This record gives sequence, structure tokens and C-alpha cells, in this order.
Amino acid sequence: ELKVEQNPLFLSMQEGKNYTIYCNYSTTSDRLYWYRQDPGKSLESLFVLLSNGAVKQEGRLMASLDTKARLSTLHITAAVHDLSATYFCAVDIGGNKLVFGAGTILRVKS
Amino acid sequence: DAGVIQSPRHEVTEMGQEVTLRCKPISGHDYLFWYRQTMMRGLELLIYFNNNVPIDDSGMPEDRFSAKMPNASFSTLKIQPSEPRDSAVYFCASSSGRRLPYNEQFFGPGTRLTVL
Repeated sequence: ELKVEQNPLFLSMQEGKNYTIYCNYSTTSDRLYWYRQDPGKSLESLFVLLSNGAVKQEGRLMASLDTKARLSTLHITAAVHDLSATYFCAVDIGGNKLVFGAGTILRVKS
Repeated sequence: DAGVIQSPRHEVTEMGQEVTLRCKPISGHDYLFWYRQTMMRGLELLIYFNNNVPIDDSGMPEDRFSAKMPNASFSTLKIQPSEPRDSAVYFCASSSGRRLPYNEQFFGPGTRLTVL
């Protein structure tokens, strides 16, 4: 059974600090997506990682993919309050089907 | 583009009643997905369509749930009869299988269903 595991599931951090969210998966895939969800809102696509070694950056967020290790990371640099949200990774398992992790709830405290 | 459109945004109903959720995908997208999100189970894929044809309905919890896509611009998810445990947020998403090599899914705003 495919497993997509995110950790931590909950992250409380101070503004200005750095941290990394990890996404491990148990099947072969070379495509991975990161989404953001604000409370009571829908999921918004953040990053699309298409191959081994892919790295994407947007503002204070940087995502990377290591398909050999079956691992993706979402790195947060100098966190600000506006980054508070739930972050999901999703693994493309073929047939346009995505399997989502449980999500990481991020709270940035000022 | 208007994005994925879902209606209603909120639905409150009583146990035993029929509920119909509606979705309009992004124009030109050929994949449509129905998800359910709860605190306990997270985000679950219920069913998805390609070119209006159901491809995988293994996530549909019970026979009480059914989904249709009569044309490329409209899909419904029906629950009959509804039960309190069906209370959740239901998301519709669409993607383009033609924009290879990736198949980014775009989500609608969701329908918050409460079954009393």
C-alpha cells in the first residue's frame, strides 16, 4: 500500500526562524506536488517537482525532490506570520492520480 | 479563467435526505476528481473521471455515494441517503492530461456538508 508520510504534522515556529518539512513516500514516482491550504479555504498549488534533483523556490519557500530517496523537502527561510497554513505534499502515482500526505500545520508566532 | 466552480458552498441537511454536490471544471481540462476532507481521515480521493468516463471509484465509501459526469463541463456527487458521518468538506479538482509531463490539479472552493 502506498504511503505518503509528512513530518512533522504540526510545527510551531517563531518568526525569522528556518525549518524544513519532510515528505517521504513508499512508491516509485518522479513527480511531486506541494499545496497550501489556509483555514476554511481550498488547496492552492505551490510547487510542481518533475524530476530527481528538482528544486523550486518562491519567496521564503523552497522545495526539492530526491526520487532515489523517495523524499521531498519544503524549506522555510526566515518565517513570517503569513506563512501560517497547512502544507500538503502529493505524490503522482500515474494515471493523473495523486496521493496526498496528511498535511503539516504550520503556525508562525510573532 | 474562472477556476473550478462548486455549488453549493455550504449544505446543511438532515439524516436520510438526498444531497447533490455540483462541480464545473476548468474549461479544457479532461480530468475531474472528487475528494473528501475530514479531520480524522484527511484528504481522500473518492472518484475521478477522464473525458467524462469514471476511471477509478475505489475511494467511494458506499453504495450511498454516486458520481456522474454527463459532459465535459459538469459533474455531480450524490449521497442518498445521507448520514451524519458524511459530514465533511467535499472538493472537486480538475487537471489537464494533455499538459504533460505534469498533471497539476486545481481545486475548487469546496462544499462544506453538515448532516444532522
